[in-house]
Amino acid sequence: GIQVEQSPPDLILQEGANSTLRCNFSDSVNNLQWFHQNPWGQLINLFYIPSGTKQNGRLSATTVATERYSLLYISSSQTTDSGVYFCAVGVDSWGKLQFGAGTQVVVTP
Amino acid sequence: GAGVSQSPSNKVTEKGKDVELRCDPISGHTALYWYRQSLGQGLEFLIYFQGNSAPDKSGLPSDRFSAERTGGSVSTLTIQRTQQEDSAVYLCASSSPGQGPYEQYFGPGTRLTVT
Repeated sequence: GIQVEQSPPDLILQEGANSTLRCNFSDSVNNLQWFHQNPWGQLINLFYIPSGTKQNGRLSATTVATERYSLLYISSSQTTDSGVYFCAVGVDSWGKLQFGAGTQVVVTP
Repeated sequence: GAGVSQSPSNKVTEKGKDVELRCDPISGHTALYWYRQSLGQGLEFLIYFQGNSAPDKSGLPSDRFSAERTGGSVSTLTIQRTQQEDSAVYLCASSSPGQGPYEQYFGPGTRLTVT
């Protein structure tokens, strides 16, 4: 099956800093989503981005499908950005997602 | 509108008992997915339903696990003869392929503890 690797595994940021999270995948995909898992365990949708670039407030994401990677940018980080960020990919647009191991982000005041 | 809902939120059961977990997808979503999240295995796919098609059961870890979806809406995941390794958070998601994009939305999960 498709392999998904996220880096770094852990990230500690001071409030206000910027950061980049990376997701590499081993095969062509038709579905790619970024999620934030909050401290209560809820998976919150950030981006649906099988290709291209999107922005939502302080967050943006870019997927370069031909090179099999996606990047999530967090700018001016806030303590509420703490949690685990997951990248998930699907070979089919509508089928199962394969998750990476996640990046644990801690933003300190 | 309402999101994906799951019940119960927590379930503690004794080893060897059967459990049923319920998922109510977002209204109008035709695709429904079950995943589980455990410390050792991360987030892993279990089973997927789409409309009237045969479900994709490729992620079910053993024949003790089964799921059904009645009337194209609510789904129940059943685990028979529970084992301690079944302890995990079971997550349900739904999407609406007919409308695209095929974004999956997750419920809050059911935390299962097998003692």
